[in-house]
Amino acid sequence: KNQVEQSPQSLIILEGKNCTLQCNYTVSPFSNLRWYKQDTGRGPVSLTIMTFSENTKSNGRYTATLDADTKQSSLHITASQLSDSASYICVVSAGSGGYQKVTFGIGTKLQVIP
Amino acid sequence: KAGVTQTPRYLIKTRGQQVTLSCSPISGHRSVSWYQQTPGQGLQFLFEYFSETQRNKGNFPGRFSGRQFSNSRSEMNVSTLELGDSALYLCASSLETISYNEQFFGPGTRLTVL
Repeated sequence: KNQVEQSPQSLIILEGKNCTLQCNYTVSPFSNLRWYKQDTGRGPVSLTIMTFSENTKSNGRYTATLDADTKQSSLHITASQLSDSASYICVVSAGSGGYQKVTFGIGTKLQVIP
Repeated sequence: KAGVTQTPRYLIKTRGQQVTLSCSPISGHRSVSWYQQTPGQGLQFLFEYFSETQRNKGNFPGRFSGRQFSNSRSEMNVSTLELGDSALYLCASSLETISYNEQFFGPGTRLTVL
């Protein structure tokens, strides 16, 4: 069964600090992994997309890493800002060609406090 | 470029009724995917439509159906509503199929079933 597990479930950090969110998956055959940011009451916004051959990808202060051997990914947020308060969702696609099975993690709720 | 739009934004129905939600993708996007989001389950994939054909389907009962029109606009229908169908329904569009394309989410339709 394809599964995506995220940790921690929630996190509170001080503004300006760094943090790392984890995503473990049991999805096969792996196609790609995405991280999304979802503000309360809004739709998710894509941060990064990585395929099997990519092990790191950055988007501003967000850096995602992927270890396809251990089936783990992390999202590192540098110098956090109040606007980073949101849910961060890891999404893994399995399959090949145009037929993909998409599995979402529950998400990590991040709160950045002043 | 206008983003993904969803109508209505909020909806209240009673058990046993049926509902139709609408999604207009970003101009030029041919793929539309639908998701259900609940606090306990997170985001769950319903189905994807590409060029008026259903390309991928999640594990939802047949009460959930959809279609896509020639202009890429999509509708999702839920028949015989149950209390457990109360959720945020999100639509996302992408240029091509979701296999490796960035998805852009709409604001969602909040459905409450009484």
